[in-house]
Amino acid sequence: AQSVAQPEDQVNVAEGNPLTVKCTYSVSGNPYLFWYVQYPNRGLQFLLKYITGDNLVKGSYGFEAEFNKSQTSFHLKKPSALVSDSALYFCAVRDKETSYDKVIFGPGTSLSVIP
Amino acid sequence: GAGVSQSPSNKVTEKGKDVELRCDPISGHTALYWYRQSLGQGLEFLIYFQGNSAPDKSGLPSDRFSAERTGGSVSTLTIQRTQQEDSAVYLCASSLRSGTGNTGELFFGEGSRLTVL
Repeated sequence: AQSVAQPEDQVNVAEGNPLTVKCTYSVSGNPYLFWYVQYPNRGLQFLLKYITGDNLVKGSYGFEAEFNKSQTSFHLKKPSALVSDSALYFCAVRDKETSYDKVIFGPGTSLSVIP
Repeated sequence: GAGVSQSPSNKVTEKGKDVELRCDPISGHTALYWYRQSLGQGLEFLIYFQGNSAPDKSGLPSDRFSAERTGGSVSTLTIQRTQQEDSAVYLCASSLRSGTGNTGELFFGEGSRLTVL
């Protein structure tokens, strides 16, 4: 069974500082990995994904994430945080080896960027 | 349509009543997902459709919950005899599916907020 952990419920960072939102996963095979963002009272929006190839993937709004197979991690990063980045962030995983397209989400991490 | 459409956006009902939540996915998207998001919580997987078939119903919380999809398009999530613990935002998402499985992102609707009094 696949699962996703986001060890931090809340991350606070000063505007202009780098940010990291952590994600670890568990699948029986190889993973497809995703990050989504949810702004207040809105649906989820796709940020970026790792399918194969380069371990560093770049996505929307200046975000990037690094796939680390040995640590089963897919941490979300941004070099310089903006106040507008404050939102709820979800990591998600799909098991590449199964025929099912079941996508499982982590519990979410609330990011607050302080002016 | 241009995006995933869900209705109603808000539903207030009395305990014991049945409710139906509707999802209209992006045209051409064969995969459709239902998730539940309780206040301050993450996304709980409910059910997934590939076409009209539901390969995985393992996330449905109880037999009061059911879902169907017709014509490979619109899906309806039905909750019978609603309970207060059913209060949540129900999110629908759709996605393309390639021949090797779903490598694409999910496109989410705005959700249906259900309040059971």
